[in-house]
Amino acid sequence: QVTLKESGPVLVKPTEILTLTCNVSGFSLDDARVGVSWVRQPPGKALEWLAHIFWKDEKSYSPSLEGRLTISKDISKSQVVLSMTNVDPVDTATYYCVRTTHDSPDFWGQGTLVTVSS
Amino acid sequence: DIQMTQSPSTLSASVGDRVTITCRASQHFGSWLAWYQQKPGKAPKLLIYKASNLENGVPSRFSGSGSGTDFTLTISSLQPDDFATYYCQQYDSYPWTFGQGTKVEIK
Repeated sequence: QVTLKESGPVLVKPTEILTLTCNVSGFSLDDARVGVSWVRQPPGKALEWLAHIFWKDEKSYSPSLEGRLTISKDISKSQVVLSMTNVDPVDTATYYCVRTTHDSPDFWGQGTLVTVSS
Repeated sequence: DIQMTQSPSTLSASVGDRVTITCRASQHFGSWLAWYQQKPGKAPKLLIYKASNLENGVPSRFSGSGSGTDFTLTISSLQPDDFATYYCQQYDSYPWTFGQGTKVEIK
């Protein structure tokens, strides 16, 4: 059974670094058929793709946030980590990790709400 | 970036209605398009992938069509469980982009 679960701080202060972890199960992060993306959704707003990590460890980032984002994975721990520097209240959102296969983004985590406030 | 424009933003319909949501891309791409259903406080759920393929376990009243720049999600007979917000997403090229969402409300 494929599952993804996000974890991280509930509250972060402006200018701090936000680090989110996605724990996956039911598949391996070194499977050539899969990758993992991060997507966020501000309260009441639409979805926004942030970053993706491929099985070969190649990475892709949203141009609007590139420079602030770092995505990485630890195969042995079955974890994908997203770091975001210099957070701002506009970064308040629910953050999701998503498994992607050759065919589609198919499994989503439940999401974790992060509030940026002093 | 490929911009995805969904219409309508809100749709009022009754149980049993046929419902159509459209998604228009700012540039032509292949069939790497997904449709999701999202309910309040929940993660999006994949309904359709590669424009017209029904995800396992999704009721057959949902269907997708289109290619190039114009894509459609159709619900053939709206059920009470279908009142939700729907999003399209292109995953043809990075950055992946989503439509702004269509909220299907009870009429």
